Amino acid sequence: DAKTTQPNSMESNEEEPVHLPCNHSTISGTDYIHWYRQLPSQGPEYVIHGLTSNVNNRMASLAIAEDRKSSTLILHRATLRDAAVYYCILRGGTSYDKVIFGPGTSLSVIP
Amino acid sequence: GAGVSQTPSNKVTEKGKYVELRCDPISGHTALYWYRQSLGQGPEFLIYFQGTGAADDSGLPNDRFFAVRPEGSVSTLKIQRTERGDSAVYLCASSLMVPADTQYFGPGTRLTVL
Repeated sequence: DAKTTQPNSMESNEEEPVHLPCNHSTISGTDYIHWYRQLPSQGPEYVIHGLTSNVNNRMASLAIAEDRKSSTLILHRATLRDAAVYYCILRGGTSYDKVIFGPGTSLSVIP
Repeated sequence: GAGVSQTPSNKVTEKGKYVELRCDPISGHTALYWYRQSLGQGPEFLIYFQGTGAADDSGLPNDRFFAVRPEGSVSTLKIQRTERGDSAVYLCASSLMVPADTQYFGPGTRLTVL
């Protein structure tokens, strides 16, 4: 799995949008971009994933750069429950093996 | 439906003792993974099962660590002669084993070695 780079920490005000960036300049053509998040004292949970096109689900949106070397996880209205560590991960399209986690971005939400 | 469950949620043991950590994956999930997470770090891969067999055990730190999944469902992570450095949260995840699949994580077992 290729490497990703994320900021160590970010802050957001409650009810405002949050844009969490991720760089993955060595991404291969078959790599999917996955995002997981880990709330305090819980296991990681899946948030969203995409390949080339932007994706939306009930939790978030994923914006993928045209060259696929970066992506942004968008939380449209941050709530206090969104305070977590967010991990950006690349998963091979033909692979279903281990997930390589980096340190992620620790998001703080200010009331 | 039921998610991934792990027992116990907390385990305190003394240095040198043997411990077993259990993982119950989501029913029907063929793949099962074990990770270890130290404070302030992302989860670190330990071992991955496809069915009953260990497909990749490259993350096991040494031969004190062993995991089994005899019937392709429940898995047990076994640690012999525990050391203080083994203290961490041990996470289990399962998935359907399709390309670029989503992994579903349990809440973890917090192991403390005194």
